[in-house]
Amino acid sequence: AQSVTQLGSHVSVSEGALVLLRCNYSSSVPPYLFWYVQYPNQGLQLLLKYTSAATLVKGINGFEAEFKKSETSFHLTKPSAHMSDAAEYFCAVRSGETSGSRLTFGEGTQLTVNP
Amino acid sequence: DGGITQSPKYLFRKEGQNVTLSCEQNLNHDAMYWYRQDPGQGLRLIYYSQIVNDFQKGDIAEGYSVSREKKESFPLTVTSAQKNPTAFYLCASSIWRPSGANVLTFGAGSRLTVL
Repeated sequence: AQSVTQLGSHVSVSEGALVLLRCNYSSSVPPYLFWYVQYPNQGLQLLLKYTSAATLVKGINGFEAEFKKSETSFHLTKPSAHMSDAAEYFCAVRSGETSGSRLTFGEGTQLTVNP
Repeated sequence: DGGITQSPKYLFRKEGQNVTLSCEQNLNHDAMYWYRQDPGQGLRLIYYSQIVNDFQKGDIAEGYSVSREKKESFPLTVTSAQKNPTAFYLCASSIWRPSGANVLTFGAGSRLTVL
């Protein structure tokens, strides 16, 4: 079985401050991990993905995430928040198993950026 | 440009009526998916299809039906049996590899409101 927990349904930061969105996963086998972003009334867009290559993954718009197996975490960070980063962010996991394993999403974290 | 087109973007339905949401992709992806999104609940999988003329139930298939007669198309019917159909519906597609990452590409979504 696989699952994702996103700590904090709402996160608020000031423009220029560090962004940290937390994601913990559970998976019985090495996972594939993803972060998606959703702007209001739109679909989801892939920010970055972990597929067992480098543990530090760089994505679009200056975001990055670090896979920590010992902590079963895949937290998303950005050094300096921009107003345009305000959106909802979803962490997702897919176990590297054979056919039948599906993508499981967390409940999402709404990021607010204050001027 | 390749992508996924969902229509209509907004749809209103009276109780007891069936409605069909359209999803078309020109990415030549094998797999297609339907998700339902409710505030604070993340994305929940309704149905998915890995190949033409075949599809599988997701976690919340009751009250929904799908077909996959063409590779490009995966329409979703919300039937009168769905007790709480008001939601945002997202269609996605991906390359299908049984043990691969299978990154999802999403459409812009369809918002269904039951009056």
